[in-house]
Amino acid sequence: GQNIDQPTEMTATEGAIVQINCTYQTSGFNGLFWYQQHAGEAPTFLSYNVLDGLEEKGRFSSFLSRSKGYSYLLLKELQMKDSASYLCAVRDKDYKLSFGAGTTVTVRA
Amino acid sequence: NAGVTQTPKFRVLKTGQSMTLLCAQDMNHEYMYWYRQDPGMGLRLIHYSVGEGTTAKGEVPDGYNVSRLKKQNFLLGLESAAPSQTSVYFCASRPGQGESQPQHFGDGTRLSIL
Repeated sequence: GQNIDQPTEMTATEGAIVQINCTYQTSGFNGLFWYQQHAGEAPTFLSYNVLDGLEEKGRFSSFLSRSKGYSYLLLKELQMKDSASYLCAVRDKDYKLSFGAGTTVTVRA
Repeated sequence: NAGVTQTPKFRVLKTGQSMTLLCAQDMNHEYMYWYRQDPGMGLRLIHYSVGEGTTAKGEVPDGYNVSRLKKQNFLLGLESAAPSQTSVYFCASRPGQGESQPQHFGDGTRLSIL
């Protein structure tokens, strides 16, 4: 199984940068995903990492270190619309995802 | 292109009642999943399917049954609803190939068991 940990809440100011950490213990690692979920809505895909290193997508970047069981999601130039829950999910060899409990990010003006 | 559609969106049941949640996807995806989401616990996998006619148990399958008679549909059944099954249920699907392909989620079904 998977054990996935991420902080419960983070608060940041509009225009700032926030880094959301995710640590995992896994049997059969086959990729790590980050999803964004606004309150009352469906999760939407943000990023995917399977090899070590940084993946950049506009204002969002995601990093993976497989040897450390560690990933982070970096949100730059924060906007009010970035206030949401961010879910870290680890995929196993059977293509099943195990999710962390999510990190609620609040962006203040 | 509707993506993943869940019906109903909301439902209130009494303990002991039965119901079926429907998930339909129009993306020709092989894999389909049912999750429940509870406060502070994240998404937990109930059952999943790797293709038409197949189903498998996830992390929390007790009290639920599923069927995948058609590739585009994945049904989740509650035979005798219990208050512990009050939750938000999400369906997801993904293609059978493509390592980087993510799961696509429906908008969820909010279910309350009284």
